Amino acid sequence: KQEVTQIPAALSVPEGENLVLNCSFTDSAIYNLQWFRQDPGKGLTSLLLIQSSQREQTSGRLNASLDKSSGRSTLYIAASQPGDSATYLCAGMDSNYQLIWGAGTKLIIKP
Amino acid sequence: DGGITQSPKYLFRKEGQNVTLSCEQNLNHDAMYWYRQDPGQGLRLIYYSQIVNDFQKGDIAEGYSVSREKKESFPLTVTSAQKNPTAFYLCASSIFPTGGRGYTFGSGTRLTVV
Repeated sequence: KQEVTQIPAALSVPEGENLVLNCSFTDSAIYNLQWFRQDPGKGLTSLLLIQSSQREQTSGRLNASLDKSSGRSTLYIAASQPGDSATYLCAGMDSNYQLIWGAGTKLIIKP
Repeated sequence: DGGITQSPKYLFRKEGQNVTLSCEQNLNHDAMYWYRQDPGQGLRLIYYSQIVNDFQKGDIAEGYSVSREKKESFPLTVTSAQKNPTAFYLCASSIFPTGGRGYTFGSGTRLTVV
């Protein structure tokens, strides 16, 4: 059964730094992988979606990569800002079109 | 603007009560989902529906019930059989199969047992 892990659970970095969030999955038969952002007490906002045939997707300062062979996805955030502070979740879609979720990485950007 | 509306934002339940969480979408999405979120854990799927008048159990369906009488609406009832209902509940929708379109989430309902 697919399992998704996000390490670390929390990360604090100074404003302006580039950073990478990690997501690993156990089954390479993944349909797609999605990254979401969640602000405290709020719902989820979709950031990037990578299809299984793709290697990466970019949106503004965000770049997400997918390496199925190693079971890893990364979310790269360039020039971090305090407004980027949130919890970031990744989710892999299995062959039954169901999302399997990581527990998230809580990111704090210090001004 | 299209989106998903969850209500209420906060809900308090007494022991032995059933409560119903509302989820409405105007995105014309076929599929709708209910997730439960607990601290330090990934989202867990409670129920999902791919089409009107049909729904399937997710990983943690015990103590919950749903209905899908209209495409736009997918209410979740937390019954008295759910022994630990305090959690954050999220509703989502998607074009089924997603085909790369992704999911849209509501803003959530926080349920607390008092």
